[in-house]
Amino acid sequence: RKEVEQDPGPFNVPEGATVAFNCTYSNSASQSFFWYRQDCRKEPKLLMSVYSSGNEDGRFTAQLNRASQYISLLIRDSKLSDSATYLCAVATGGFKTIFGAGTRLFVKA
Amino acid sequence: EAGVVQSPRYKIIEKKQPVAFWCNPISGHNTLYWYLQNLGQGPELLIRYENEEAVDDSQLPKDRFSAERLKGVDSTLKIQPAELGDSAVYLCASSLDYTSKPEQFFGPGTRLTVL
Repeated sequence: RKEVEQDPGPFNVPEGATVAFNCTYSNSASQSFFWYRQDCRKEPKLLMSVYSSGNEDGRFTAQLNRASQYISLLIRDSKLSDSATYLCAVATGGFKTIFGAGTRLFVKA
Repeated sequence: EAGVVQSPRYKIIEKKQPVAFWCNPISGHNTLYWYLQNLGQGPELLIRYENEEAVDDSQLPKDRFSAERLKGVDSTLKIQPAELGDSAVYLCASSLDYTSKPEQFFGPGTRLTVL
């Protein structure tokens, strides 16, 4: 089992839709959690950090469920510009950050 | 504020040739990371530096890969000799401090093609 797993998708949604991605992690000692956005042939860019049970930034909401060892990212009112790959990253107690393989999102007009 | 700078952006070499990548992190960031990213995969850590000390190089193939961060600022990653399977994007990232501010900021990467 991979340490960090994501549904690769792709998720194809219409503009204005709400879409959610999940990311599961195997190390219960994980302490910090992040969502990154990566556009095609670009570098990952930090979208959100999740330190407690959740975090919200505009249309984006991240939630952490330590008991079930997953984090989620909810995007409301999807825009065409939200089309990208979304990577989750989990930092373990050993100060190692593991990235998932990413979930691809396509938002259609 | 300037972001993470990497050069070159693209590199095409023949197998068995050496290659080097350079990274300058965000000013004041103590932690520097080198990652490898293959198509359709997330970044995979090669080495992490805290200032000039390599604190995690367990995933670095030391028979052909080497890295240095001599003055605790910029860093160089080298491959010698390169193999076909080394074709990938090499990403450099930095963070202010791994324990208290672990958010990582990435450079644009170097896209390596080994022929």
